[in-house]
Order: sequence, then structure tokens, then C-alpha cells
Amino acid sequence: GDSVTQMEGPVTLSEEAFLTINCTYTATGYPSLFWYVQYPGEGLQLLLKATKADDKGSNKGFEATYRKETTSFHLEKGSVQVSDSAVYFCALSPRGYGNNRLAFGKGNQVVVIP
Amino acid sequence: NAGVTQTPKFRVLKTGQSMTLLCAQDMNHEYMYWYRQDPGMGLRLIHYSVGEGTTAKGEVPDGYNVSRLKKQNFLLGLESAAPSQTSVYFCASSYSPGQGYEQYFGPGTRLTVT
Repeated sequence: GDSVTQMEGPVTLSEEAFLTINCTYTATGYPSLFWYVQYPGEGLQLLLKATKADDKGSNKGFEATYRKETTSFHLEKGSVQVSDSAVYFCALSPRGYGNNRLAFGKGNQVVVIP
Repeated sequence: NAGVTQTPKFRVLKTGQSMTLLCAQDMNHEYMYWYRQDPGMGLRLIHYSVGEGTTAKGEVPDGYNVSRLKKQNFLLGLESAAPSQTSVYFCASSYSPGQGYEQYFGPGTRLTVT
């Protein structure tokens, strides 16, 4: 079935460091891909998305490119801030589904140290 | 514009008790969803609805029931709570089933079953 795999474990880094969170997916056809962010004590909110191969989603300095050949959608940010500390979820919406279901990865806790 | 709201925010139940979680959205969205979030598991879909009066099972529906009597409300019921249902519950809604449409999430309900 359709699934999303995120790299294991929390990510701890210093302010202004470069952030990469890996995401790979398994799906039939060409799904839409999303990154959601969850700040402490809050619900999830959309960070960025891409709906077809080679699309680049970007928002708040974060970027991710839909790579069909490697079935990946890695999240990157060039210079993180303490305010970027949150849990980040990769998700996909399978093509052809009539209900817009999302399949989520397990999430990565990101902690940015001043 | 409140978006997606959930009631209550916190609840503690004893095993065997029942309760209903209420989700409300003011965006006139057709599609609504209930997820549960457990540590290291990401979000898993419990039930969803593609319109008023319709509901369907998601990935982990056992022990839960839902109703969508009004377009703006989606209720999640636990008839006989079990400790395995201790979790954070998120409601979400989306405008369309089409690819690329984001889901909007509520702030969550933290449920503890003792």
C-alpha cells in the first residue's frame, strides 16, 4: 500500500545550521506530497506541497523537491532558527483517491539550540 | 474565522466509560477526518466523511464510531473506552478530494484512559 518513510530519530542542531529531513515514499502512480509542521501543543499545519514530479514546494525558507526517480521529497532549510523547533511530518495523497486521504510518516522532532 | 475547533481539549476516562469528541469547521468543507497520534506512529486515520450524512472507516476504526449529521460537525464516539485508546486525537477538514488540497487541522484532544 501507499506509505511514507522518514529518517529515524530526532534532529538536534544549532541556530543557523543547515537542516535536511529525508522522506521517501511508496505509492501507485503519482501522488501529491506534503510537509506538515506541528509546533508544541498545536495541531498540524501545512508547510509546503508539490503535486507533480520536479515541482518544488517552498515556504518560510523551507524547500522540498518532488523527485519521481528516487521517490523522495526531502525537506531542507539553509539556516534554521530556534522558532523552527517543531515536529515535521511528510505525507502523501494518493492519486485517484476520492477522499483525499493522507498517509503520514512517523514525524521528526527538530530541536534548534541557540 | 475559527477554522477547525475541537472540544474538549483534555479528558480523562476510566476504562469502560463512554464519551464523544466534537469537531466543528466553519470553512464549508465537504471532507472531514479523525486521526489519532501516538508516539513514534505518526497520524493514523480512524474514520472520515465525504459529506453530510456519510461516513467511512479509515486505517484504525475499531472501538470508535462517528456521525456527520451536519456539514460543519463531525463527532467521534468511544462507546467503551480502553487504555489502548489513550492518545491525542486530531480532526481535520478539506475542501475537495482532489490532489493537492490541504487538510486543515484542529488543535487536538488529549485523551487518557485509566
